[in-house]
Amino acid sequence: AQKITQTQPGMFVQEKEAVTLDCTYDTSDPSYGLFWYKQPSSGEMIFLIYQGSYDQQNATEGRYSLNFQKARKSANLVISASQLGDSAMYFCAMRELQYNFNKFYFGSGTKLNVKP
Amino acid sequence: DGGITQSPKYLFRKEGQNVTLSCEQNLNHDAMYWYRQDPGQGLRLIYYSQIVNDFQKGDIAEGYSVSREKKESFPLTVTSAQKNPTAFYLCASSMLGGQDNEQFFGPGTRLTVL
Repeated sequence: AQKITQTQPGMFVQEKEAVTLDCTYDTSDPSYGLFWYKQPSSGEMIFLIYQGSYDQQNATEGRYSLNFQKARKSANLVISASQLGDSAMYFCAMRELQYNFNKFYFGSGTKLNVKP
Repeated sequence: DGGITQSPKYLFRKEGQNVTLSCEQNLNHDAMYWYRQDPGQGLRLIYYSQIVNDFQKGDIAEGYSVSREKKESFPLTVTSAQKNPTAFYLCASSMLGGQDNEQFFGPGTRLTVL
């Protein structure tokens, strides 16, 4: 079974609007971390935001926030006020603490295009 | 500045040749990883290492080999047994344990087999 599922291969958003990128995960480990990375066309992977399984509040980092719904096993990334520079691939990832605690699982990614 | 370096940025190889991709980190991380990325696709784990002189196969280890003789270095060799090696290769590192320890990535190496 897929550990991380990203069901949106590509998305478009108008500049200055908000956009939500979906991510669902599968684990029986009670302790895990969820991460979002951005990959521009240059190929570098840029860490955006982190959410821990025991965190009570949704994580936020500037224009990025993570909509964490533990019971539904979803960790959607919300980008507010989209900018042209947000056009990139976005990957959701998970790290399990008890099982294979040094292994990261990545989703297939969502390509975001921001239109002027 | 701490970080991960990968070299070369672009690499061309003839069929049947082995080639080694370099990955060095000065973040004092114990864990290091190699991923392969095909165009428009996600990351697939090739090998990872949690400690010097020890490493584990990932999901697509066939045709690849690694070594971890130093904490800072985790070179990847793409052997002639790898049937379709043309891809983008990313090296990463992280601290051990801790659910909040993210992976840090190098800039990547684009390998093309001619």
